[in-house]
Order: sequence, then structure tokens, then C-alpha cells
Amino acid sequence: AQTVTQSQPEMSVQEAETVTLSCTYDTSESDYYLFWYKQPPSRQMILVIRQEAYKQQNATENRFSVNFQKAAKSFSLKISDSQLGDAAMYFCAYRSANTGNQFYFGTGTSLTVIP
Amino acid sequence: EPEVTQTPSHQVTQMGQEVILRCVPISNHLYFYWYRQILGQKVEFLVSFYNNEISEKSEIFDDQFSVERPDGSNFTLKIRSTKLEDSAMYFCASSEVKVLAKNIQYFGAGTRLSVL
Repeated sequence: AQTVTQSQPEMSVQEAETVTLSCTYDTSESDYYLFWYKQPPSRQMILVIRQEAYKQQNATENRFSVNFQKAAKSFSLKISDSQLGDAAMYFCAYRSANTGNQFYFGTGTSLTVIP
Repeated sequence: EPEVTQTPSHQVTQMGQEVILRCVPISNHLYFYWYRQILGQKVEFLVSFYNNEISEKSEIFDDQFSVERPDGSNFTLKIRSTKLEDSAMYFCASSEVKVLAKNIQYFGAGTRLSVL
């Protein structure tokens, strides 16, 4: 089975600074999707960014970008110019491109933004 | 922006009681999911549902669990006889299409179930 590991339970960043959240995964598949979801306190999990494994180019969405290293099975999230509204739990997730729709999640990283 | 809504936000129940967790998926979505997260652990897949039947389920989803779409808008998760270890945050999700390349799941805020 696929596993997703987030080794940083908590992270903090100064407002306007950059922070990188780590995620590694284990799979024998070659075709899959990776996601970062953000969950503010008591709110929905919101999709932040998505990466297709067949694409070499790293996905970017405004201040959010990923460093996707397929060989290393690493998928880190970089948040630039951090804002107070970025404070949330961040979940990394994996989904197969061929077998089923279920997501495999990491345990999450709680990000604090310091004013 | 459309949202997946879950009620209640927190449910407290006695061990052995039945609970029903409710979800209203995004209105044009056709695929529905339940996940759970035990405190300090990973979010785990429970079940997916399409066309009024279960399409996938995990080992966690045993005979104590059932899902239903009773009225075309709600999607419910029933736990027949709750155990202490069922205490967790339960997330509902929905997606518009099945085509895997476009399957983005939208999640609700979760229902925290506390079994005493």
C-alpha cells in the first residue's frame, strides 16, 4: 500500500518569510497524483496545489510551489511571502492514476505564522 | 464558492449507540467519500460511493459502518454500535467526475465524534 510521510508535525514562519513543508511517499506505481491540502482551524480542507507525476515541471499556484523529486519520492511545498491566513494544518496526499479514487494522506503539518 | 458541509461539527455518544454523520456534497458532484482521522494519526480512507452503491471501501469499513444517500442531497455515514476506537474526526468529500485525471476531491470541515 502507498504511504505518505510528513516528518514535521509543527512548523512556524515569520510573516513575509518563506517556509518549506516536507512530504515523502512510497509507491511502486509510476503514474500518480500528489496534492497539498490546507485546513484552517474548524474549516474545510482546501486544495492548495496538485502535481501529476508524469510532469517534470514543478506545479506553482501564486505563492505556493512544489519541489517534486520523483526519483527521491519527495514532494515538498514552499510557501513564499507567508501571510497570517496561511496558518493552518497542511496535508500531503497521494492518489493513484490507475487504481481507485482514494487518497492516502500524511499526518499533517501544523503551520504557525508569526506576525 | 460551493462547499461540502458536514453536521454536526461535534458529536458525543455513548459506547454501543448508533450515530449518523451527515454530509451535503457539492450539488453537481456525483462521487462521495468518507475519511476519518484518529487524533495524531493519518487521514484514512473509509469508503467511496457512486450511483447509489459503494465503489470502494477500506478494511476499516466493516459491517458496523454503512453509507446512504437518502434523499439526493445528503450523504450519511452510519456507525451501528460505536466503540471507543471510533472516536475520530470524520471527513466527507465529493468530486465531480470519476475520470481519475480530473478527480479533485473537495472536503468538508469534518465531524468530531467522541465515544464515551
